[in-house]
Amino acid sequence: DIQMTQSPSSLSASVGDRVTITCRASQSISTFLNWYQQKPGKAPKLLIYAASTFQSGVPSRFSGSGSGTDFALTISSLQPEDFATYYCQQSYSNTYSFGQGTKLEI
Amino acid sequence: QVQLVQSGAEVKTPGASVEVSCKVSGYTLTQLSMHWVRQAPGKGLEWMGGFDPEVGETIYAQNFQGRVTMTVDTSTDTAFMELSSLRSEDTAVYYCATTSSLYYFNFWGQGTLVTVSS
Repeated sequence: DIQMTQSPSSLSASVGDRVTITCRASQSISTFLNWYQQKPGKAPKLLIYAASTFQSGVPSRFSGSGSGTDFALTISSLQPEDFATYYCQQSYSNTYSFGQGTKLEI
Repeated sequence: QVQLVQSGAEVKTPGASVEVSCKVSGYTLTQLSMHWVRQAPGKGLEWMGGFDPEVGETIYAQNFQGRVTMTVDTSTDTAFMELSSLRSEDTAVYYCATTSSLYYFNFWGQGTLVTVSS
């Protein structure tokens, strides 16, 4: 199975900061990498798919990059509503897997 | 727009089984690939299994092989996930979710809390 490792596990930041979350796959997954945002008590919400394609309605301050084994999610200027937990997920293999999550805190 | 509405919270004793349902509206179940993802309290997301349209069958995560069964009832557009031999570590919120043609999870149910406690 493909293992996904995110870093950091948690991150403290302020409104207006630029932050980057990274995700590493245990083998090459091309660009079959998706990012989700989850707020407490809610289902995850898709932000970016295929490593760098925005889901409709996602603010342009979110961007994704990478291919192969190394990927990144960048938020260019943090807004109060961005404080949440973020997960990467690979869809290269039909046994999907998620990273362990990155909690973004004030 | 797809809507997924899950069944209500369950409390089970260790060793029992639980079945969670997920009712689809907006599309028919035959048009969708349904998956199940769980989240233990304070923990991350764990994929349990789902339908792979390329092979035409349901694929299960190794961690749940032999304990989980995912089925669908196309007459009612409802998906089911049954987990057996429950243990306390199975206490979690269980989500149904559909995948797009590019294999990302695009629609999610609201989640069902399953509590396993003696």
